[in-house]
Amino acid sequence: NAGVTQTPKFQVLKTGQSMTLQCAQDMNHEYMSWYRQDPGMGLRLIHYSVGAGITDQGEVPNGYNVSRSTTEDFPLRLLSAAPSQTSVYFCASSVDRGGGYTFGSGTRLTVV
Amino acid sequence: KNEVEQSPQNLTAQEGEFITINCSYSVGISALHWLQQHPGGGIVSLFMLSSGKKKHGRLIATINIQEKHSSLHITASHPRDSAVYICAVLMDSNYQLIWGAGTKLIIKP
Repeated sequence: NAGVTQTPKFQVLKTGQSMTLQCAQDMNHEYMSWYRQDPGMGLRLIHYSVGAGITDQGEVPNGYNVSRSTTEDFPLRLLSAAPSQTSVYFCASSVDRGGGYTFGSGTRLTVV
Repeated sequence: KNEVEQSPQNLTAQEGEFITINCSYSVGISALHWLQQHPGGGIVSLFMLSSGKKKHGRLIATINIQEKHSSLHITASHPRDSAVYICAVLMDSNYQLIWGAGTKLIIKP
């Protein structure tokens, strides 16, 4: 089925470990973004991309890295995990920044 | 002060009731989104609107640009409507999405 595929669904990391959250979409969307969702708060934008080769920082980019080598893939890298990065992460894509969004199923990350 | 405020934060109602969830914002926008997040965590886009009113099934979304206010209505509510409903606005200055904290809706049978 067409959509946004996000992996893994769950992950536990130790402080200082690194990992990559994968995000892939097959809708030929130009705009892709990563959000984190914390209890009682709205989604916060981490990084976004308006097309292959173009990325930019969002509201909370520290501790995260992204790249966009293809239109389909937009991985999010945690460089050195910290307990403050315990959250639920969502990847989303849309035709453009103003369009309707399609979300991945989310990754629940716990850093101990 | 948050740029996007939703009310109520929590809402419990009986099956069949008419539901209204409100979203107020303080910035200039080019569009407003309503999304639904189910207990399993998945987020689904319901509406994107920049003026007037949109309807899909039992869901109706309205926006008043002058008053900087939008409402999401659910008619003949059903337990399967239980979810968190999220409002997000697309700022017209920089095309950033600003998200509300969500309204948790529980519909009891």
